[in-house]
Amino acid sequence: DGGITQSPKYLFRKEGQNVTLSCEQNLNHDAMYWYRQDPGQGLRLIYYSQIVNDFQKGDIAEGYSVSREKKESFPLTVTSAQKNPTAFYLCASTTWGNQPQHFGDGTRLSIL
Amino acid sequence: GQQLNQSPQSMFIQEGEDVSMNCTSSSIFNTWLWYKQDPGEGPVLLIALYKAGELTSNGRLTAQFGITRKDSFLNISASIPSDVGIYFCASGKISSGSARQLTFGSGTQLTVLP
Repeated sequence: DGGITQSPKYLFRKEGQNVTLSCEQNLNHDAMYWYRQDPGQGLRLIYYSQIVNDFQKGDIAEGYSVSREKKESFPLTVTSAQKNPTAFYLCASTTWGNQPQHFGDGTRLSIL
Repeated sequence: GQQLNQSPQSMFIQEGEDVSMNCTSSSIFNTWLWYKQDPGEGPVLLIALYKAGELTSNGRLTAQFGITRKDSFLNISASIPSDVGIYFCASGKISSGSARQLTFGSGTQLTVLP
C-alpha cells in the first residue's frame, strides 16, 4: 500500500549527540515536510522541500538539518544545537497544487 | 508566523451527543482542512474545503468554509467512542507553482463518555 513511513517509532538522544529521523514515501509526492508537535500545541513547521535537492526553512529550523537527495526520502537530523529536542516529530507529503498533506505515524524523540 | 485560533481546547461529551468546534484566523486562506489524530499516530485527513461557503460532509462529520474565508467549523453528529482524539484545523494559501504551506490550530481534545 502507498504511504509515508517514519522510523524509528521511538528514539533516544544523549546530550551532545546528533540523531537522524527517517521519512520515506511511495506516493510519488513532490513536496515533503517535517513538523514538530509539543503537548497542547499545533504542528510547527521545521523544514520543507518542494523538489529534489532543494529545501527551505520553516518556522523553527534552528538546531535541525535536512537533505532531499531522492524524491521519496526526506531525513531530518536533530543536532546537538537543538537544546529542547524532546517532542513528537511528524513527516508529511503532498503533490503540487491544491492537495492536502498526508502524514506518517511520527517519531517520538526523548533525551536520556 | 500566522496563527489559527481553535476552540474549544477540550470537550467532554456523552456518547450520542453532537459536537461542534471551530477555527478562526485574522488572515484570509483559500483552503481549510480538518484532521484527526489518535494517540501516538499521525493526523489523518477528515475533510478538505476549497471554496468560501462550501459545506462538505463525510459520514457523521460536516465542515464548512466560512464566507469571510477566515473561519471554518467541524460538526460531529451522534458521537461514538471511536471519535475520541485530537482534532486539528489547518489552513493554507496556494502560491502559483508551489506546494501548499499549512498553518495548524492548537487542536481540540475530544473525550466521549459512555
